[in-house]
Amino acid sequence: DGGITQSPKYLFRKEGQNVTLSCEQNLNHDAMYWYRQDPGQGLRLIYYSQIVNDFQKGDIAEGYSVSREKKESFPLTVTSAQKNPTAFYLCASRDLETQYFGPGTRLLVL
Amino acid sequence: AQSVTQPDIHITVSEGASLELRCNYSYGATPYLFWYVQSPGQGLQLLLKYFSGDTLVQGIKGFEAEFKRSQSSFNLRKPSVHWSDAAEYFCAVGRRFSGGYNKLIFGAGTRLAVHP
Repeated sequence: DGGITQSPKYLFRKEGQNVTLSCEQNLNHDAMYWYRQDPGQGLRLIYYSQIVNDFQKGDIAEGYSVSREKKESFPLTVTSAQKNPTAFYLCASRDLETQYFGPGTRLLVL
Repeated sequence: AQSVTQPDIHITVSEGASLELRCNYSYGATPYLFWYVQSPGQGLQLLLKYFSGDTLVQGIKGFEAEFKRSQSSFNLRKPSVHWSDAAEYFCAVGRRFSGGYNKLIFGAGTRLAVHP
């Protein structure tokens, strides 16, 4: 079955801790994206990657980092510099002009 | 700057009633237009999209949307709503930049409740 998987479904972060959210796709898409969703604000772009070993900052990249070592994988690290990390995080991949989304990871702060 | 406006934050309809969710965008050229649906705690599912051609597009789950260039609108419609349609709906505009970079700009969403 082709699709996008995100893990874990829920993630808890302690003060000062870095955490990494996983995103994997088997759709053979080159481009991948990370979004943050807060209630009443729609989705905001954190980072995107057009191709392996390349990525660019989106609109709210501060406090986040990414890597793109494999076509299938685009992990997002939420660093301790992100002071308000509680949100729902969505990963997407793109085929031509259309983006397809994973099931999301909810990040909570302990 | 491009923007997407969904004027209705919450809408409540009765099961079997018709539905129209509004979406207006601000963009100089003809954009790529999308509607996505999100159930609580889930990812976004693509309902339909418009790139060019016939301005009335059909999507999944019985939804359709009409692109009106003169009104900069892309409203989503369904003739008869089912209880399972209760969810949040997002309108999005896509733009392609130089270098092949493609960006989606989302509206804030409309939450749909369905009364039995």
